[in-house]
Amino acid sequence: GENVEQHPSTLSVQEGDSAVIKCTYSDSASNYFPWYKQELGKGPQLIIDIRSNVGEKKDQRIAVTLNKTAKHFSLHITETQPEDSAVYFCAASREPGGGADGLTFGKGTHLIIQP
Amino acid sequence: DSGVTQTPKHLITATGQRVTLRCSPRSGDLSVYWYQQSLDQGLQFLIQYYNGEERAKGNILERFSAQQFPDLHSELNLSSLELGDSALYFCASSVSARSGNTIYFGEGSWLTVV
Repeated sequence: GENVEQHPSTLSVQEGDSAVIKCTYSDSASNYFPWYKQELGKGPQLIIDIRSNVGEKKDQRIAVTLNKTAKHFSLHITETQPEDSAVYFCAASREPGGGADGLTFGKGTHLIIQP
Repeated sequence: DSGVTQTPKHLITATGQRVTLRCSPRSGDLSVYWYQQSLDQGLQFLIQYYNGEERAKGNILERFSAQQFPDLHSELNLSSLELGDSALYFCASSVSARSGNTIYFGEGSWLTVV
């Protein structure tokens, strides 16, 4: 089955700086790569996703890049703000919605924005 | 608020017992997913139902079972509970597994087995 590795496990950045979280996956058939943000006491919330037919997608301060050849994808957050502090999860699956194996998640990155 | 409702929010029970977690998906969503989140295993996919039928099965133990009812709500049954079953259990929903629509997660049910 799919295996998703996520780094780093903890990331501390100064407010206003950029943050980058990286993930690698093992299943070359994976085609859907969402990123979820989980705040304390809440469920994961989708913040951005990318499909394998594009290499980059941007939504305001958040962007995701995908390199299918290398089987890795990254989340970029620019101009970080205190409310960006949370745990971020990457995930991969063969199709949107998870398909036969569901979404396979990385272990998460605890992003800390220092004031 | 994602629109996915889970009950109970917190549950403490003893080893060997059985519990039922309940999920109401977002209005109109046909697919329901169950995930387990623990510190050592992270977010693990357990099972998926689509319009009442089991569609995909992940790392779900034989002691666990789930179902989706005609009104589309779902229940996750956990039996013969062990200390290691203590975790946060999430329900998620989407319109359909193939439509590409977003998977929305509920706030979770925190299970503590003592």
